[in-house]
Amino acid sequence: AQTIHQWPVAEIKAVGSPLSLGCTIKGKSSPNLYWYWQATGGTLQQLFYSITVGQVESVVQLNLSASRPKDDQFILSTEKLLLSHSGFYLCAWTGGQDTQYFGPGTRLLVL
Amino acid sequence: AQSVTQPDARVTVSEGASLQLRCKYSSSGTPYLFWYVQYPRQGLQLLLKYYSGDPVVQGVNGFEAEFSKSNSSFHLRKASVHWSDSAVYFCVLSAAGSFNKLTFGAGTRLAVCP
Repeated sequence: AQTIHQWPVAEIKAVGSPLSLGCTIKGKSSPNLYWYWQATGGTLQQLFYSITVGQVESVVQLNLSASRPKDDQFILSTEKLLLSHSGFYLCAWTGGQDTQYFGPGTRLLVL
Repeated sequence: AQSVTQPDARVTVSEGASLQLRCKYSSSGTPYLFWYVQYPRQGLQLLLKYYSGDPVVQGVNGFEAEFSKSNSSFHLRKASVHWSDSAVYFCVLSAAGSFNKLTFGAGTRLAVCP
């Protein structure tokens, strides 16, 4: 069975500080991977997706970047956090032309 | 262009009552539709999905949804709700061949009262 893990579970960071969020999928080779952002009480906004290692497509950047250094890993990062980055970050995966399955999420508070 | 409208931001029902959460979609291509549920402070869980065929699809925990092409709708139903069904429900659209891009509705927050 496939499992998706996100780290950290939660972060409190200062405005202007760097950020790195991670997502790992186990039990599935060559997954498509996705990053989403959810404002508190809001809907989900797709940020990035990746079909293969080293390739990332941007949907909405929000002054963030993403990388896929390994087949099972997807990283979301920024060098300078903004207050507007606060929210809930979700990673998801598919096997291709199929349903997206979501990870447990990382809650970020920028002060 | 794709869009999903969930007209009810909040729905409150009594435990044991029936439920319908509404979803209207707009899609330039063949729509693939999903309902996801989000429990407090958690990720999203898939309830059910519709690709083609029988317009009534069954999901987990007694949920079902009915697809209507003529009404551009994909309403979610449950015959008898339980307090544990309290959560936020998202209707989600993907155009055929574009599973990499999902369009989410705003979500409906369901509160089930004892």
